[in-house]
Amino acid sequence: DAKTTQPTSMDCAEGRAANLPCNHSTISGNEYVYWYRQIHSQGPQYIIHGLKNNETNEMASLIITEDRKSSTLILPHATLRDTAVYYCIVRRRLYSNDYKLSFGAGTTVTVRA
Amino acid sequence: NAGVTQTPKFQVLKTGQSMTLQCAQDMNHEYMSWYRQDPGMGLRLIHYSVGAGITDQGEVPNGYNVSRSTTEDFPLRLLSAAPSQTSVYFCASSYSGTSGTGELFFGEGSRLTVL
Repeated sequence: DAKTTQPTSMDCAEGRAANLPCNHSTISGNEYVYWYRQIHSQGPQYIIHGLKNNETNEMASLIITEDRKSSTLILPHATLRDTAVYYCIVRRRLYSNDYKLSFGAGTTVTVRA
Repeated sequence: NAGVTQTPKFQVLKTGQSMTLQCAQDMNHEYMSWYRQDPGMGLRLIHYSVGAGITDQGEVPNGYNVSRSTTEDFPLRLLSAAPSQTSVYFCASSYSGTSGTGELFFGEGSRLTVL
């Protein structure tokens, strides 16, 4: 699987948009970009995923660059409850070996009132 | 719908003791896995399974055994606990292949301390 690079931490003001970057310059054509978050010490929670088109759901938007070498997760109106560690992962989905996933250190996002 | 259930939530062991962390899912997921998370670190894959009777090693398998006799259950066994195995353990499951979104569903974690 392609490696990802994320900033260690970032702050965001409550009510503002939070833009979380992820670099995946070695991504392959059949690899998806997934985002998860982990609030405090709970189990990670799926947020969104995409292949090459931008995606939006009730939690966030995912913007993938045209060359697919980087992406940005956007939390449109951050709340205090969005304070968490955010993980960006790239993976295929077709083969059993695609499930050998490990989550890196992620980005610690702190939303401030 | 309970999702992924892990037991126990907390456990304290002495060095050399053995124990089993239980994981059960009620979503009929083919894929199940175990991760450990050390303080301030990301999650590292211990073992995983793509179906009943099939298991494979992840990134950090030493000191752990798994089996998958049913689709629902994926227990993690610590054979002889060591202080280095003090960690939070997460079980996760998902559909295999292109079924669903490929989303991993995680349990709430089992916090293990080895003295």
